Amino acid sequence: QSALTQPASMSGSPGQSITISCSGSTSDIGRYHFVSWYQQLPGRAPKVLIYDVSVRPSGTSARFSGSKSGNTASLTISGVRPEDEADYYCCSYTDSSPLYVFGTGTRVTVL
Amino acid sequence: QITLKESGPILVKPTRTLTLTCSFSGFSLTTRGVAVGWIRQPPGKALEWLGLIYWDDDKRYSPSLKNRVTITHDTFKNQVVLTMTNVDHVDTATYYCAHRRGFDYVSGYFDYWGPGDLVTVSS
Repeated sequence: QSALTQPASMSGSPGQSITISCSGSTSDIGRYHFVSWYQQLPGRAPKVLIYDVSVRPSGTSARFSGSKSGNTASLTISGVRPEDEADYYCCSYTDSSPLYVFGTGTRVTVL
Repeated sequence: QITLKESGPILVKPTRTLTLTCSFSGFSLTTRGVAVGWIRQPPGKALEWLGLIYWDDDKRYSPSLKNRVTITHDTFKNQVVLTMTNVDHVDTATYYCAHRRGFDYVSGYFDYWGPGDLVTVSS
């Protein structure tokens, strides 16, 4: 079970929308609704932004939204802000081992 | 309030055994659905799931570690311990423990993380 595939980097100007894809398989994203997204600021621990594909925990801005289609999950940042500059990781439960698989990570830059 | 904090050595020599302790508060690891996971991140690289211990003491490990990892729970101390044998330079990483919120085995996400512990494997 290899890592989920994400674009290495994405960028946008303040106010624009950025959509990060997370490509998996029928063993993980395609099979389960247990996809989560994490934001990692430089030098900090990851913080959950989205769980169960599209649910925002309390404290997550409504500018962040998640979705899934087939074997691919997506995280959209609407109206990107300078403070959104960070690394973003998807994660999915899998039906094999390892039990959880993370994505390769996407660095978001706000121009 | 849920908190977790990792502790352990900063430097470990190759072939030695690494022991990391995750001290937690604000939840009980005997509550159904709760689990504590270990995740690591080599410098400049992606997150990697290492293993998980469930509320009923069941454990799951990543096969990439080839049976080098063991996770245990000390109920009285509210601690989870990760033991990794025969470490190598590729095990140099920041190690995180995290609270997994879920309702059973098949579910969950990591909602609270420790600050991480950077471990360097070097002679």
